Amino acid sequence: NAGVMQNPRHLVRRRGQEARLRCSPMKGHSHVYWYRQLPEEGLKFMVYLQKENIIDESGMPKERFSAEFPKEGPSILRIQQVVRGDSAAYFCASSPASGRGEQYFGPGTRLTVT
Amino acid sequence: DQQVKQNSPSLSVQEGRISILNCDYTNSMFDYFLWYKKYPAEGPTFLISISSIKDKNEDGRFTVFLNKSAKHLSLHIVPSQPGDSAVYFCAASTGSSNTGKLIFGQGTTLQVKP
Repeated sequence: NAGVMQNPRHLVRRRGQEARLRCSPMKGHSHVYWYRQLPEEGLKFMVYLQKENIIDESGMPKERFSAEFPKEGPSILRIQQVVRGDSAAYFCASSPASGRGEQYFGPGTRLTVT
Repeated sequence: DQQVKQNSPSLSVQEGRISILNCDYTNSMFDYFLWYKKYPAEGPTFLISISSIKDKNEDGRFTVFLNKSAKHLSLHIVPSQPGDSAVYFCAASTGSSNTGKLIFGQGTTLQVKP
């Protein structure tokens, strides 16, 4: 059973460009979570999605950030007009529809804004 | 507002000895707690969890203790092995299973010396 897949693993963008981060959950998992880790900090929750629905986006910045989890295909975290402060590791996690709360993480995408 | 705190940024122990990692929380609504291990450039790996109805959960060399009155949990690793050297994060969630976000502590870097 393949784990959570994220791509790209590394992404370099210039200020003002768009960044698109992709996440394919584990097989059989219908819940996806995005977290961000800034240097020297813990992981911060951003958004929780189920297929075609955003359940909790309380951790998403109000502007420039959006997320989706379409019926078909991976979940996408989109950052428009990136700034240097967006440089971080972005982790996706997934969990099954019924579970005890464990979330299984992908390897992360390291975004660098130059 | 740091709801989950790991006050020790680092810990160094000798191989074969016990490692004790600590975590404190402030939100009394948290009812599920997890520990994750993270190697550099990888995503967090789930280790062990505990529900608030229990005060101890054991899995092999890993044991998690929960003291609800003190709002404190700890992870014991016995015996410690060099391969355990990593960053350890505690995390907490509210509600029943699979309801959303995890709140992470800042992490403790464990070094196990041969």
